[in-house]
Order: sequence, then structure tokens, then C-alpha cells
Amino acid sequence: DIQLTQSPSFLSASVGDRVTITCRASQAINSYLAWYQQKPGEAPKLLIYAAATLQSGVPSRFSGRVSATEFSLTISSLQPEDFATYYCQQINNYPRGFSFGPGTKVDVK
Amino acid sequence: QLQLRESGPGLVKPSETLSLTCSVSGGSIYSDSDYWGWIRQSPGQGPEWIGNIFFSGKTYYNAALGSRVAMSVDTSRNQFSLRLTSVTAADSALYYCARVRMATVTRYNFYFMDVWGKGTTVTVSS
Repeated sequence: DIQLTQSPSFLSASVGDRVTITCRASQAINSYLAWYQQKPGEAPKLLIYAAATLQSGVPSRFSGRVSATEFSLTISSLQPEDFATYYCQQINNYPRGFSFGPGTKVDVK
Repeated sequence: QLQLRESGPGLVKPSETLSLTCSVSGGSIYSDSDYWGWIRQSPGQGPEWIGNIFFSGKTYYNAALGSRVAMSVDTSRNQFSLRLTSVTAADSALYYCARVRMATVTRYNFYFMDVWGKGTTVTVSS
């Protein structure tokens, strides 16, 4: 099974900061990775798919990159509404296998 | 606008069967490009994929759940359902249903969960 790890697990930041979250896959998954944002009491919200394609309606301050088995989600200028938990998800063996990373919580410094 | 809504008992006894239904509105479950999925999340944990179903009834399940999981679809009611047998306290979680959509990027097909229900909490307890 493909395992995903995320770093850091927790991140304290201020409004306006540039924030980068990393997700590593235990084996090659090409670009079959998505990023989600989840706020307390809400369902996850899709931000990025295909590692770097922004979902419609998502602000352009969010971006994704891939390098081999390492993926990153960057928020160029953190906004108050961006404090949340972020999860990566691999879909390399569609439709048989989806799995999520353990999450990165971004909170106020 | 597509909306999904989960429904079902909030309390299930250990060893019994958990049954949930996802009602789809604002669109048809009868889609040849979408799958429909169940995901659960325990407090403080990341989401866990349970399985996907196509309108034809074709299913794919998380192997970690073994033979305890089954999904079905009712196209006449625009609904799909989840059954999880022999539940234990470890099955207590917030259960979500979601649409699994496909998009083509640089000639490759990519999948993602773009519409989610609000979730329903299931507690396994006697």
C-alpha cells in the first residue's frame, strides 16, 4: 500500500506569511495527488488535483508542485480564512485505492 | 448545484450493521464519468476512504475493511448506500459521502472528490 506522510504536522503562522506544506509518497504516484482544506465542523474542500491544477473557485494564492515523490502545497500570502488543516490524498490506483495523509494543521502564531 | 446529504442512525450497537444512505440532489447519480464514494473520519484523524460505487453498481472497497463493507446504488431514488457489518467502537466516526470526479490534464485522467456531504456522526456503543 502507498503511504503518505506530511510535514510539518503543525505549523504556526501569521497573516501574510508564505506557507509551504510537504507530502511524501512511499512510492511513485506520478501526479495523482490532490490537496484538501478542512475547517472544524466542515467537510474537506478540494483545493488542488493532479498535483498542481487549481480547482475552480480556489484563490490563486494556493499552488501545488511535484518533484518525484515529494509534493508541496504553498499558500503565497496566508489569509485569516486559511487557518485550517490540510490533507493530501493519493489516487494512484484509481478506482481501487485512495488514501489520505495524516494532515497539517495551520494555526495562528 | 450538486448537493449530497448523508442519513442514517447515529447510534449502532457493537457487532451490528451500520447502514447509511447518501441522497444526491441537483444532479444525477446516473453519470458515466463520476463515481460516488464514502469516507470516514475519526476525531483528530485524517480521512479514511471506505469505497466507491459507479451507477452501474460496480464497487471498489478499501481492502483494510475486508468483507465487512458493501455499497449499493438506487438510481431511481438518486441515492447510494453503505453497509458495514460487525461494527466495533473503532468504526465510530464522522461518515461522509462524496462525488468522485474525473478531469483530463495533459492527456491523463485525474480523479478527485469535489463535492462532499456535510457528514453524519455514527457512534458504536451498547
